[in-house]
Amino acid sequence: GAGVSQSPSNKVTEKGKDVELRCDPISGHTALYWYRQSLGQGLEFLIYFQGNSAPDKSGLPSDRFSAERTGGSVSTLTIQRTQQEDSAVYLCASSWTGTDPLNYGYTFGSGTRLTVV
Amino acid sequence: QKEVEQDPGPLSVPEGAIVSLNCTYSNSAFQYFMWYRQYSRKGPELLMYTYSSGNKEDGRFTAQVDKSSKYISLFIRDSQPSDSATYLCAMSGAGSYQLTFGKGTKLSVIP
Repeated sequence: GAGVSQSPSNKVTEKGKDVELRCDPISGHTALYWYRQSLGQGLEFLIYFQGNSAPDKSGLPSDRFSAERTGGSVSTLTIQRTQQEDSAVYLCASSWTGTDPLNYGYTFGSGTRLTVV
Repeated sequence: QKEVEQDPGPLSVPEGAIVSLNCTYSNSAFQYFMWYRQYSRKGPELLMYTYSSGNKEDGRFTAQVDKSSKYISLFIRDSQPSDSATYLCAMSGAGSYQLTFGKGTKLSVIP
């Protein structure tokens, strides 16, 4: 596609429910990232996928968060037993490679705005 | 102390003004410095990037990096209402795929 596509654009869920957020990266981009943007906070790194390598999950805030990337393309971020503090905008980005920021550019999707009530 | 500090504003200026946006950082390993622009309910888009210290100019935008002071700036000349957005600084170390972002400065340019 022309850009990074994320769905849904908005999600309201009840506390304790599980949610799945989807990211469809730019075709051909091998690197995929998930970031979280909370109100009044900067973007917080969550997870990084590069090709077939094991993902870097070091940014996931708890074991309630998980992500997978199927076939090197679409990625799903899953949050189990959602809590109110999970409310944020979840942003996905992709790039050609994961090294040397000057030789690649992150392209962000518009994000999924998650509200836990 | 957070790794990257950025005044969240909001900053309001009249059309045509020169805007100065700044970030300070503490991690001396940072070598790549970027500015992203984020419109409301959109994802950030890369505006400018620089490597190490120095200046870079692109049209009305100038990015400056002073590694000795751990201070980066973005200047916008002849600001336009369409420049109204949140500006995020971001930085990373050599060979690192992970960006560290500031909180963003919300800018409004008043016609």
